Amino acid sequence: DTAVSQTPKYLVTQMGNDKSIKCEQNLGHDTMYWYKQDSKKFLKIMFSYNNKELIINETVPNRFSPKSPDKAHLNLHINSLELGDSAVYFCASSHGTSGNSEQFFGPGTRLTVL
Amino acid sequence: DAKTTQPTSMDCAEGRAANLPCNHSTISGNEYVYWYRQIHSQGPQYIIHGLKNNETNEMASLIITEDRKSSTLILPHATLRDTAVYYCIVRVGSYSGYALNFGKGTSLLVTP
Repeated sequence: DTAVSQTPKYLVTQMGNDKSIKCEQNLGHDTMYWYKQDSKKFLKIMFSYNNKELIINETVPNRFSPKSPDKAHLNLHINSLELGDSAVYFCASSHGTSGNSEQFFGPGTRLTVL
Repeated sequence: DAKTTQPTSMDCAEGRAANLPCNHSTISGNEYVYWYRQIHSQGPQYIIHGLKNNETNEMASLIITEDRKSSTLILPHATLRDTAVYYCIVRVGSYSGYALNFGKGTSLLVTP
């Protein structure tokens, strides 16, 4: 069974469209994350949720809105897509309460904005 | 979180030990040293972490100097599948959202 899954794996869309990326984890973790890896391969945190509550919101345009319907899911909705949003987006999860835990990453979603 | 410095790239012959260094001279007493790797086009994968003592698991060993200002990740018998970018990350162990700050990492090439 896949621990952290993301859908879709590839997403190609036009500028100005709205799209969503879904993430699910079956590890029973209570903390989930979204990271963005740009064309230069830098991997940066975007959001972090603990028990469905937002705890980290880095400097990300408000066109990006994470939504956590339950502890096992953290979806990322992006409005008015721009060329610069093209990147690979990784979801991750961890058992957040210990402060000393590893993060498990999903396979990534490659978003291409044309 | 403390800043880390790693070599940009390293080579290692298959079957040999790969020793990946990391400097973290500004590390605080409550910060852990974590190692992750990213094999091409895949999500990052946790390898090992430690605070003060050396650590070993089925994947690797982590050697942390006594002053904690540097560490070395050791892959004892590198295989071609270990070719990846290796990230050394230090972060606090207390509740802080637990986001990982990935730097540029070391690109390890294992050659036949």
